[in-house]
Amino acid sequence: EAQVTQNPRYLITVTGKKLTVTCSQNMNHEYMSWYRQDPGLGLRQIYYSMNVEVTDKGDVPEGYKVSRKEKRNFPLILESPSPNQTSLYFCASSLSSGTAYEQYFGPGTRLTVT
Amino acid sequence: AQSVAQPEDQVNVAEGNPLTVKCTYSVSGNPYLFWYVQYPNRGLQFLLKYITGDNLVKGSYGFEAEFNKSQTSFHLKKPSALVSDSALYFCAVRDVESNDYKLSFGAGTTVTVRA
Repeated sequence: EAQVTQNPRYLITVTGKKLTVTCSQNMNHEYMSWYRQDPGLGLRQIYYSMNVEVTDKGDVPEGYKVSRKEKRNFPLILESPSPNQTSLYFCASSLSSGTAYEQYFGPGTRLTVT
Repeated sequence: AQSVAQPEDQVNVAEGNPLTVKCTYSVSGNPYLFWYVQYPNRGLQFLLKYITGDNLVKGSYGFEAEFNKSQTSFHLKKPSALVSDSALYFCAVRDVESNDYKLSFGAGTTVTVRA
């Protein structure tokens, strides 16, 4: 089954404790992206990747890191999480970096930072 | 810079009535436009997109959207709403002439269809 998977689905952590949210897709997609969803703000793009070893900042990259060492994986790293990073996070992928293609979204990761 | 506005936080309609969810966009060049739907506790699902060509685009679950360049709008429509259409709807845009690959989403519109 074609899908985007994220782990963990739920995470409660404390300020400053490094964490990684994994994202994997099995569709051989070139383009992958991370978003955060906050009430009243919709989805905001954090980082995206056009292909292996090619990443760029979205609209809200501060406090986040990403890497794309393999085509299927695109982990999101929070080196020192803060309470304002409490949010619902979605990973997505699409066939090409042209972004005329629709994105496939993962199920989401709900992160709480206390 | 590119942006999307969804002017209505909520839309309420009765089952069987027409449903419209509004979206306006701002880009410096030409747009790629998308609609996505999010059901409770789920990720987003693609509904339809406008890339080029016919201004009326048909998508999944009986939805359609009309691209209007002069009004910079891309409203989502369904002729006869179902209770199962109750969800959160997002409009998204990418500026085709932009040299980055960002995608911008609106704040979302919650649709409630009452039986």
